[in-house]
Amino acid sequence: DAMVIQNPRYQVTQFGKPVTLSCSQTLNHNVMYWYQQKSSQAPKLLFHYYDKDFNNEADTPDNFQSRRPNTSFCFLDIRSPGLGDAAMYLCATSRATASTEAFFGQGTRLTVV
Amino acid sequence: GEDVEQSLFLSVREGDSSVINCTYTDSSSTYLYWYKQEPGAGLQLLTYIFSNMDMKQDQRLTVLLNKKDKHLSLRIADTQTGDSAIYFCAESIGDMRFGAGTRLTVKP
Repeated sequence: DAMVIQNPRYQVTQFGKPVTLSCSQTLNHNVMYWYQQKSSQAPKLLFHYYDKDFNNEADTPDNFQSRRPNTSFCFLDIRSPGLGDAAMYLCATSRATASTEAFFGQGTRLTVV
Repeated sequence: GEDVEQSLFLSVREGDSSVINCTYTDSSSTYLYWYKQEPGAGLQLLTYIFSNMDMKQDQRLTVLLNKKDKHLSLRIADTQTGDSAIYFCAESIGDMRFGAGTRLTVKP
């Protein structure tokens, strides 16, 4: 059974139209991460939550926001998607930071038209 | 540049061994990981090694860690076509930092 679930798998949005990507977990892990992965590149950490504490990476654009209303769910909001935001977005969870294992969802591939 | 570096491509014949190499920069990394990503999918943890270990073996997978040179390798024995994927090396220094990935192609 999937433990980290991302919806939808594929998302098409219009240039400038806000879009929300969803991640849920059944592991009761404390930490949830959002990564952006562009073609042939390493996943790039955007931000993570440790419980309710939000940690933003210094170079994450302001256009990207996140919400974690409870332990199980975490959302990635892109306020005004540009063509350069087209990518695979990966959600991951771990029991703690520097943990032995991070569990990844299948990812959401975002296309901006 | 990347904190974690990998060669981008590796091609082997089915049945041969594959060796994927990685260098990292942060000597305080607690854990080092190998993830596998198949087309259109998320990342799947293959194996990890704690920083005080030199080697870890798990069935067809062997991980070697040289802390002095900050070098990590993944050896896949008897490589199969189903092993074709992108392999990411990652270090954990509070959060996880990935290399750009090595695309392994296995030819019949």
